[in-house]
Amino acid sequence: GENVEQHPSTLSVQEGDSAVIKCTYSDSASNYFPWYKQELGKRPQLIIDIRSNVGEKKDQRIAVTLNKTAKHFSLHITETQPEDSAVYFCAAYSNSGAGSYQLTFGKGTKLSVIP
Amino acid sequence: DAGITQSPRYKITETGRQVTLMCHQTWSHSYMFWYRQDLGHGLRLIYYSAAADITDKGEVPDGYVVSRSKTENFPLTLESATRSQTSVYFCASTLDSRYGYTFGSGTRLTVV
Repeated sequence: GENVEQHPSTLSVQEGDSAVIKCTYSDSASNYFPWYKQELGKRPQLIIDIRSNVGEKKDQRIAVTLNKTAKHFSLHITETQPEDSAVYFCAAYSNSGAGSYQLTFGKGTKLSVIP
Repeated sequence: DAGITQSPRYKITETGRQVTLMCHQTWSHSYMFWYRQDLGHGLRLIYYSAAADITDKGEVPDGYVVSRSKTENFPLTLESATRSQTSVYFCASTLDSRYGYTFGSGTRLTVV
């Protein structure tokens, strides 16, 4: 099955700086890569996603890049703000083998933005 | 989103007891999932369902049972709870399995 590795596990940045979280995946057939943000005590929420036919996608201060050859993708947050503090999860779609695709998640990155 | 709800929000149970966590969605999404979240392990898939009466095991299914008699409901049952099943459980759904999931608010389960 799919294996998703996420780094770093914790990240501290000064407010206004950029933050980068990196993920690698193992299944070359994976073609959809969402990112989720989870604030303390809340549910994970989708913040951005990218498909395998696209190399980069931006949404205001966040962007995701994908390198299919190297099987890695990254989340970039610019001009970080205290409200960006949360746990971020990357994920990749894998084929369960029964015609049904399922998300495999990385173990998460705890981002702390220091005012 | 209010469209997927989990109950109860918090539950304390004793070792050996049976407990059922409920998940209900109002979107008629075909796919539903149960994940558990533990520190250091991220989100791990327990069971998933592609449609009513179709369920399959995920990464960590042992000790859990699911059913899906109706599209909108996907209950998760711990047949004989153990302390290792202390966790936060999230239900999720999606219309098409190739798109992102929407998660419920979670159930924090403590087994004592």
